[in-house]
Amino acid sequence: KQEVTQIPAALSVPEGENLVLNCSFTDSAIYNLQWFRQDPGKGLTSLLLIQSSQREQTSGRLNASLDKSSGRSTLYIAASQPGDSATYLCAVGWGGGNKLTFGTGTQLKVEL
Amino acid sequence: NAGVTQTPKFQVLKTGQSMTLQCAQDMNHNSMYWYRQDPGMGLRLIYYSASEGTTDKGEVPNGYNVSRLNKREFSLRLESAAPSQTSVYFCASSDWDEQFFGPGTRLTVL
Repeated sequence: KQEVTQIPAALSVPEGENLVLNCSFTDSAIYNLQWFRQDPGKGLTSLLLIQSSQREQTSGRLNASLDKSSGRSTLYIAASQPGDSATYLCAVGWGGGNKLTFGTGTQLKVEL
Repeated sequence: NAGVTQTPKFQVLKTGQSMTLQCAQDMNHNSMYWYRQDPGMGLRLIYYSASEGTTDKGEVPNGYNVSRLNKREFSLRLESAAPSQTSVYFCASSDWDEQFFGPGTRLTVL
């Protein structure tokens, strides 16, 4: 059974800092990996999708990497801003990509 | 485009009552999903529909039924609600890989 772990559970950083969020998974036979952002009381917003054949994806200040062999993905956020404060979730796609297994998230707070 | 919409936003039920959560998407996606989110457990897949006319169980299907009414709509039914079904329910849709989520329904069962 695929298990997804995100460490740390919570992170507080000063504005402007570059930071890395970690995601690890137990079964390397994945279809893809998706990073989401969730604001309090809201739904999930898709940030980046990495196919199993890819090593990384970039969108603006966000860069996600994937290392299937070690069962790890990282989300790099450059020059963090208070508006980046949210919970970040990673989800591993399997079963042809129809099924996602989620981690429990990292709650990020960026302080002024 | 509204994306994925869910109704209702909030609901309080008594144990044993039934209700249906509604979900609709306007992105012409083939696949639709229902998840529940509980504190400390992450999102878990309840049911999914890979295409119109098909449905399959996910990780936690017990106590739920689903209907893929047409390509746009996918409903989740609780026949006899239990306190353990208190949760936030999310609907999602996808065409190939990337899943898009609705705003959620916060359900409390007393």
